[in-house]
Amino acid sequence: AQSVTQLGSHVSVSEGALVLLRCNYSSSVPPYLFWYVQYPNQGLQLLLKYTSAATLVKGINGFEAEFKKSETSFHLTKPSAHMSDAAEYFCAVSAGGTSYGKLTFGQGTILTVHP
Amino acid sequence: ETGVTQSPTHLIKTRGQQVTLRCSSQSGHNTVSWYQQALGQGPQFIFQYYREEENGRGNFPPRFSGLQFPNYSSELNVNALELDDSALYLCASSSLAGLTDTQYFGPGTRLTVL
Repeated sequence: AQSVTQLGSHVSVSEGALVLLRCNYSSSVPPYLFWYVQYPNQGLQLLLKYTSAATLVKGINGFEAEFKKSETSFHLTKPSAHMSDAAEYFCAVSAGGTSYGKLTFGQGTILTVHP
Repeated sequence: ETGVTQSPTHLIKTRGQQVTLRCSSQSGHNTVSWYQQALGQGPQFIFQYYREEENGRGNFPPRFSGLQFPNYSSELNVNALELDDSALYLCASSSLAGLTDTQYFGPGTRLTVL
């Protein structure tokens, strides 16, 4: 069984500040981990994914995440927030093999960016 | 744009009715997964279809059923609608030929049950 916990349902930052969105996972098998972004009234867009290669994963729009097995974490960061980053962010986990793609999502974190 | 399309965009039904939602997968993809996203929640996995066969199911009752067609498009059917079925329904397509291939999500169908 797998689960994801996103710490903080709302995060607010100033434009230009560091963005840190927290994700902890639980998995009985080596996990695959994902971050998705959802803009209002839209579907999900993949930001980045960890598939057991490099532990530091770089994604689109300047985001990156680091897989830390000892902490069961996969936190999302961006050095400098833009107004366009305001959206809801979801962390997700899946197993590998034929279970790949059957995602378990966290509850989401709404990111607000202030001018 | 991901190339994954869903129809209709919005739908209003009454309790007890049946509904069919449709998803056209991205070209070259043979796998479609369906998710339910209730308001303020993360998406929940309903089921996945791979080459026209169900390939895993989440914790949803049998009144949620699906189909995948030879062109890999898919339908989600929900019978005996309940108020709690009101949600955004998302489909995602991928290719299991590459076991770490990216899933691409469609824009979703917003279902309201009155």
